[in-house]
Amino acid sequence: GAVVSQHPSWVICKSGTSVKIECRSLDFQATTMFWYRQFPKQSLMLMATSNEGSKATYEQGVEKDKFLINHASLTLSTLTVTSAHPEDSSFYICSALTLAKNIQYFGAGTRLSVL
Amino acid sequence: SQQGEEDPQALSIQEGENATMNCSYKTSINNLQWYRQNSGRGLVHLILIRSNEREKHSGRLRVTLDTSKKSSSLLITASRAADTASYFCATDAIPTDSWGKLQFGAGTQVVVTP
Repeated sequence: GAVVSQHPSWVICKSGTSVKIECRSLDFQATTMFWYRQFPKQSLMLMATSNEGSKATYEQGVEKDKFLINHASLTLSTLTVTSAHPEDSSFYICSALTLAKNIQYFGAGTRLSVL
Repeated sequence: SQQGEEDPQALSIQEGENATMNCSYKTSINNLQWYRQNSGRGLVHLILIRSNEREKHSGRLRVTLDTSKKSSSLLITASRAADTASYFCATDAIPTDSWGKLQFGAGTQVVVTP
């Protein structure tokens, strides 16, 4: 199957700093990627849809200035959590959509801990 | 918002037994997908069933879809300890504001003991 790499897998940062998470599709081009947030023992909550070459589409209640998304190429999308606070601590997962199969392939996730 | 509800929320079985979990959804769909998530990891795609299909198999997995009842089931036969994971159904609702966008169910946590 298609491979999606997400980096870093784990990050600890101080409150007020910004953290960038990368999501790469390694063996296919993805015009669309998705960013999710997951709380312990809960389902995935879609944060935003990232489209190559255009602005991301954010879900209701997700602050676009807080969670900056950039999809500058067909294989890379980044999520930057700006001025992180402890309540931003969570598991963030990206996925890349294969148009041919209409299947999302997921990264391994990033666990963010804000102190 | 989550479209699907899954039951049971948790399932504990012994190796060799079958595991069945169900998913219900609310809107019309193009397809329904099942994913597996090991603890602290990303999701792995298991199977996709289209709205015009009623049953699909993949190895030890069997998925059914009943669009009249807006429900699906996932059966894992002859379970193994390695099947221990959370299982999520996901649907692409119609209408949608974004191609490929999925709505995930709450998930079923499966524990398979040796």
